[in-house]
Amino acid sequence: QVQLRQWGAGLLKPSETLSLTCGVYDGSFSGSYWAWIRQPPGKGLEWIGEINDSGQIENNPSLKSRVTISVDTSRRQFSLNLTSVTAADTAVYYCAGSSKDCSTGKCHSLGFDRWGQGTLVTVSP
Amino acid sequence: SYELTQTPSVSVSPGQTARITCSGDALPNQYGYWYQQRPGQAPVLVIYKDSERPSGIPERFSGSASGTTVTLIIRGVRAEDEADYYCQSADRDSSYWVFGGGTRLTVL
Repeated sequence: QVQLRQWGAGLLKPSETLSLTCGVYDGSFSGSYWAWIRQPPGKGLEWIGEINDSGQIENNPSLKSRVTISVDTSRRQFSLNLTSVTAADTAVYYCAGSSKDCSTGKCHSLGFDRWGQGTLVTVSP
Repeated sequence: SYELTQTPSVSVSPGQTARITCSGDALPNQYGYWYQQRPGQAPVLVIYKDSERPSGIPERFSGSASGTTVTLIIRGVRAEDEADYYCQSADRDSSYWVFGGGTRLTVL
């Protein structure tokens, strides 16, 4: 059973940079896609972006200019940096993992079946 | 930007069948995924690739796809199924993931 544990600062001031890291324990790291997903209080889920162990990155176009996602394969960790935060970035941030099935020649996600515990990040003056 | 549309709420009595729908223009060409989220907890994947069920998910959870709509079906609903359910899919170019706004399932 793959476990994800995440950590990072939970209280930021406007214009600061949000930094979170997620560690992958007890399971396969390579061959998976590692994502960040957030959920504002009382609202729905928003995909931020994802990275694989080869460093291939996909980002949400609405956040792309402020987001950096990186991976440290040797430590089995991946990280999120979100610059110039505002109150609108207040949310629970989750790290998550998914595998892909490429058996048909075209790769398809098998869904985010691994999730971190979530980190509430509050942006307040 | 691409959007997935879900009905905000569905209510059913215990033992009945709940159907939760998700609509999006790209769904004829993209798979749908479903997540269950209970209050204060991380989401749990319940359906992937339209109709596949991960190990450990009860058989009463199933999924279907038709045209621009994917549907999560929960047969024999139990009180423990009361939760928010989110669909997920990709845009037409498979360049980014989108979640639906969520459906709150209430078990009467």
